[in-house]
Amino acid sequence: DADVTQTPRNRITKTGKRIMLECSQTKGHDRMYWYRQDPGLGLRLIYYSFDVKDINKGEISDGYSVSRQAQAKFSLSLESAIPNQTALYFCATSMDTYYGYTFGSGTRLTVV
Amino acid sequence: AQKVTQAQTEISVVEKEDVTLDCVYETRDTTYYLFWYKQPPSGELVFLIRRNSFDEQNEISGRYSWNFQKSTSSFNFTITASQVVDSAVYFCALSEPGGYQKVTFGIGTKLQVIP
Repeated sequence: DADVTQTPRNRITKTGKRIMLECSQTKGHDRMYWYRQDPGLGLRLIYYSFDVKDINKGEISDGYSVSRQAQAKFSLSLESAIPNQTALYFCATSMDTYYGYTFGSGTRLTVV
Repeated sequence: AQKVTQAQTEISVVEKEDVTLDCVYETRDTTYYLFWYKQPPSGELVFLIRRNSFDEQNEISGRYSWNFQKSTSSFNFTITASQVVDSAVYFCALSEPGGYQKVTFGIGTKLQVIP
């Protein structure tokens, strides 16, 4: 099994729908992150969590919410999806930023 | 504020050529970490290397080498004798230690190695 698992891998949804992207990890890391990737913009941080009770907004959190259900699980929700949220979403974990991130395989989300 | 610039958005080389991917960074911190990640066409992001700001030694790993120069705020990545499997998007990233440990990514350089 992968160290960081994201589900679903691909999703097409309609404008206005609520959607949840899930992430689970077996690394035992406390730190978990959600990023989105857009062509020409690189990776931008949506939310991050240093433990179950510590959740913080990143640089582009508007329109998103998260839930840290356990040390190993960190979910990202789009309450009312809009087309400009079409992107590739990555979950990542780290022990400490010094060690770099372990990324999931990504979720390709299309909002039509 | 932190900034990472990867000025080369796309590069094409013929197989077996050497290629250098440029990364220039900006930070006010004296302690920081630099990274390179690879994103092959399959989409996953793979960690390649970390360098901390106190270690200016160049790193070589097989066909890959990294040149870190604080004087020019650059952390360039060279692939020697490129192969088709090197085709990917490569991201340079900068992290500050302590607190939130913000990580800033460059926009990536897409490398295409032509057989």
